[in-house]
Amino acid sequence: DGGITQSPKYLFRKEGQNVTLSCEQNLNHDAMYWYRQDPGQGLRLIYYSQIVNDFQKGDIAEGYSVSREKKESFPLTVTSAQKNPTAFYLCASSLWDRRFAGYTFGSGTRLTVV
Amino acid sequence: KQEVTQIPAALSVPEGENLVLNCSFTDSAIYNLQWFRQDPGKGLTSLLLIQSSQREQTSGRLNASLDKSSGRSTLYIAASQPGDSATYLCAVSLTYGGSQGNLIFGKGTKLSVKP
Repeated sequence: DGGITQSPKYLFRKEGQNVTLSCEQNLNHDAMYWYRQDPGQGLRLIYYSQIVNDFQKGDIAEGYSVSREKKESFPLTVTSAQKNPTAFYLCASSLWDRRFAGYTFGSGTRLTVV
Repeated sequence: KQEVTQIPAALSVPEGENLVLNCSFTDSAIYNLQWFRQDPGKGLTSLLLIQSSQREQTSGRLNASLDKSSGRSTLYIAASQPGDSATYLCAVSLTYGGSQGNLIFGKGTKLSVKP
């Protein structure tokens, strides 16, 4: 079955550490996205990528970095510069022409700072 | 700047009741509107996608309507069941600028269906 796999499901980060969240899709989708979800807030876009080796900042990119070396993979690094990283992180993908395409989401990674 | 609002924030109904969830958006320049379901601690599941040229979409007991000119969408759930309990999110797809195609989400409506 095609889908999006996020790992790990739970992640704990110490102060000052960088951590990387994995996102892999086998849907042959061109575009991939990272969202952050906090309690009582809507999803906020961190980064997105429409093609390999290209990505764009979303609304809250500060303290995060991404890469898109393969079509199937879009890892997110939460750096020590991110002041409040505790949140639920969701990865998504869609076809290139997003006017007509729906989004498919992964099951999420819950990141906690300890 | 596009803003998406969902009312009510939470809703509790008895099993079997028909119900309506509301979504409003401030800018009618959208490609499409999508409704998602999110169970606690899980990712989002796509329910319905309505293109800007369409008025409604149906899937089983779900029916979503779109009135682009007034900036409103409703999600109608017929004969609600306890398994429908979840948070329902509405999102619109932007048509302008560098963010073309990106989704703007509402904060969701948390639905509880009591047996």
